[in-house]
Amino acid sequence: EVQLVESGGGLVQPGRSLKLSCAASGFTFSNYGMAWVRQTPTKGLEWVASISTGGGNTYYRDSVKGRFTISRDNAKNTQYLQMDSLRSEDTATYYCARLGATFDYWGQGVMVTVSS
Amino acid sequence: DIQMTQSPPSLSASLGDKVTITCQASQNINKYIAWYQQKPGKAPRQLIRYTSTLVSGTPSRFSGSGSGRDYSFSISNVESEDIASYYCLQYDNLPYTFGAGTKLELK
Repeated sequence: EVQLVESGGGLVQPGRSLKLSCAASGFTFSNYGMAWVRQTPTKGLEWVASISTGGGNTYYRDSVKGRFTISRDNAKNTQYLQMDSLRSEDTATYYCARLGATFDYWGQGVMVTVSS
Repeated sequence: DIQMTQSPPSLSASLGDKVTITCQASQNINKYIAWYQQKPGKAPRQLIRYTSTLVSGTPSRFSGSGSGRDYSFSISNVESEDIASYYCLQYDNLPYTFGAGTKLELK
């Protein structure tokens, strides 16, 4: 059974950093691209970033470029999202997703609140 | 960025009804559209990919169609377990973009 478990969310002040982790199991992690998707009541679902199987190719939405870094450790079956210079508009539930043809499996989500 | 205009925002149906949701892309997305179901407090669950391909575990009462810019998603014979929000996703071009969602409620 495919499982994706996010961790690392919480309350953080504007301008500070936070690192999310996503532990994967139930499939060969190194064979799949991975992604982060976030959701807010006002903006809905937004793709945030993606990473290729080996980690050599990464992609970001414009609003997080230069602030967020997606990475992965295939030996640990884990992907990460380093979020720097956080803004109030980054407040959201962040989901880890496996990239089959699309986002075919999702984690349960982790809440990130950016507020002073 | 490709905009996905999803309608209606909400839908009220009786058990056994057929309902249809549409998504119009701001440009041709070459059938690269997926549909997701989301229940409160849960992650989205993929139901359909590449316009009309049901993913494993998706009941046959769900269907999808379309081409070019215009796509639709239907549920025939709505069941109580189908009460949820539904989203389209275009994955033809980065940034992948979602529709705003349709909330399906029981009449």
